[in-house]
Amino acid sequence: SQQGEEDPQALSIQEGENATMNCSYKTSINNLQWYRQNSGRGLVHLILIRSNEREKHSGRLRVTLDTSKKSSSLLITASRAADTASYFCATDNRRGWDMRFGAGTRLTVKP
Amino acid sequence: DTEVTQTPKHLVMGMTNKKSLKCEQHMGHRAMYWYKQKAKKPPELMFVYSYEKLSINESVPSRFSPECPNSSLLNLHLHALQPEDSALYLCASSQDKQYAFFGQGTRLTVV
Repeated sequence: SQQGEEDPQALSIQEGENATMNCSYKTSINNLQWYRQNSGRGLVHLILIRSNEREKHSGRLRVTLDTSKKSSSLLITASRAADTASYFCATDNRRGWDMRFGAGTRLTVKP
Repeated sequence: DTEVTQTPKHLVMGMTNKKSLKCEQHMGHRAMYWYKQKAKKPPELMFVYSYEKLSINESVPSRFSPECPNSSLLNLHLHALQPEDSALYLCASSQDKQYAFFGQGTRLTVV
């Protein structure tokens, strides 16, 4: 079963704009991770934020975590056409080894 | 070596066939996962092996049988599948409380 929901389900923006995706989850977590998937192949890890962290940056990516609201957001700044992909959040709950994905956001960046 | 290798990339099988999907990693990760992903949906957790023992089985039908022969290998044995089992099957591995590395998946078609 899925851990939570993401919104929006689909997002279409112009190159250079920022993209924000949100993720909500249901149970207590050890950490929350964001992954990217191109064309229905393997997922690639983007960033991991631990339950005791509130914000993390990696290049053009910024992730926030609000454990009181059980939610996270992924911001991609200055988007590029190559950022077009599906983005998923995943939570690793306190049992460990139990990594479940949210519904995902399909991002389209138009050149 | 930071790769998870899945074979085969594509598989077409009849409903009476027996086949196996294979997954290999040499990163020393102690957890290995099988996920099933249908088109435009998130990966769904099927099985987790931690330290070569089955730790999570998400009530998957017995026509799917996982096996972990050693810490580097993970198999998924398939028997008497149904057309609705057609999907992308993803293998992943991780270290404790770290992000996961995914293989490119096996695209399975059951005819």
